[in-house]
Amino acid sequence: QKEVEQNSGPLSVPEGAIASLNCTYSDRGSQSFFWYRQYSGKSPELIMSIYSNGDKEDGRFTAQLNKASQYVSLLIRDSQPSDSATYLCAVNGVAAGNKLTFGGGTRVLVKP
Amino acid sequence: DTEVTQTPKHLVMGMTNKKSLKCEQHMGHRAMYWYKQKAKKPPELMFVYSYEKLSINESVPSRFSPECPNSSHLFLHLHTLQPEDSALYLCASSQEGQYGYTFGSGTRLTVV
Repeated sequence: QKEVEQNSGPLSVPEGAIASLNCTYSDRGSQSFFWYRQYSGKSPELIMSIYSNGDKEDGRFTAQLNKASQYVSLLIRDSQPSDSATYLCAVNGVAAGNKLTFGGGTRVLVKP
Repeated sequence: DTEVTQTPKHLVMGMTNKKSLKCEQHMGHRAMYWYKQKAKKPPELMFVYSYEKLSINESVPSRFSPECPNSSHLFLHLHTLQPEDSALYLCASSQEGQYGYTFGSGTRLTVV
């Protein structure tokens, strides 16, 4: 089992719809969870961080964390073509020596 | 200053060359990282420096040699590389603890 798992996609979403991305992790001691957006050929950009159970909203993005079920999700509301990118889930866990472990990424395509 | 600056942005080197990648941040972050990323794959951790001391070396071949002369600068010295070392090399920094990383724009390395 991989430490951080994501569906590789592509996740195809019509413009204006909600994109829903999921991530599961194996280290129960994980305490910090992050979503990065990466455009093709560019570096990852931190878009959301979440540390406690529940929802965290920032603009059109909502991160959801459920530590009991060991999953974290990202919702993108009113999806725009500029949201087309690969979204990387990253987890910072004690078992990993407090270093970030990345999932394989989910490619999102927003179609006009 | 909220950026991590990497130079050069692109580098083409022969297998017998010696070159260095440079990374700089002035956010007061005390942890700095080198990652390697191949196409359509997540970033792969190479080295971690914490308070200018090498704390993690992910079994990277000795042809890659990191250096952290002070808290703001990080180098990756390259020598006798192989074509399979061609990749995007990313520098990142963070505060100590369970925080997200800020990535630089990367160096696109091609070994010929």
